[in-house]
Amino acid sequence: DIQMTQSPSTLSASVGDRVTITCRASQSISSWLAWYQQKPGKAPKLLIYKASSLESGVPSRFSGSGSGTEFTLTISSLQPDDFATYYCQQYNSYLWTFGQGTKVEIK
Amino acid sequence: QVQLVESGGGVVQPGRSLRLSCAASGFTFSSYGMHWVRQAPGKGLEWVAVIWYDGSNKYYADSVKGRFTISRDNSKNTLYLQMNSLRAEDTAVYYCAELQLPWGQGTLVTVSS
Repeated sequence: DIQMTQSPSTLSASVGDRVTITCRASQSISSWLAWYQQKPGKAPKLLIYKASSLESGVPSRFSGSGSGTEFTLTISSLQPDDFATYYCQQYNSYLWTFGQGTKVEIK
Repeated sequence: QVQLVESGGGVVQPGRSLRLSCAASGFTFSSYGMHWVRQAPGKGLEWVAVIWYDGSNKYYADSVKGRFTISRDNSKNTLYLQMNSLRAEDTAVYYCAELQLPWGQGTLVTVSS
């Protein structure tokens, strides 16, 4: 099975900060990577698919990059609505796997 | 609009069974492979199972293999998860999902005596 490792687990940041979250796959997944945002009590929301494609309706301050085994999610200027938990997910295999999550907290 | 609505969750004793349903609308359900994903309280997301668009292939996480069965009825636009021999560690919110479809609200399964 493909393992996904996210870092950091928790991130403290202020409104306006540039934030970067990293996800590493245990083997190459080409660009078959998605990023989700989840708020407490809510379902995950797709932000990025195919490593760098922005889902419709998602603000342009979110961007994704990477291929193979190393990926990043960047929020260019953190907004109050962005404090949440973020997950990466590989879908190179039909047996999906998720990173353990990164909680973005208010500094 | 595209919608996935999970149901069937509840409180069940260890060792018992439960069947979850996911009603799909607003898209051609029979064209999509579908997944179940779960989230234990306060924990991350865990993939559970996948079924091909036509039901021809099914795959499971090791943690549920032999106990859970995924199925679908394309005539009813509905996905199912039959859960047998439930354990306390199966307690979670269960979501049906496909990559570029908005996730439903999930259904909570609590396994407790």
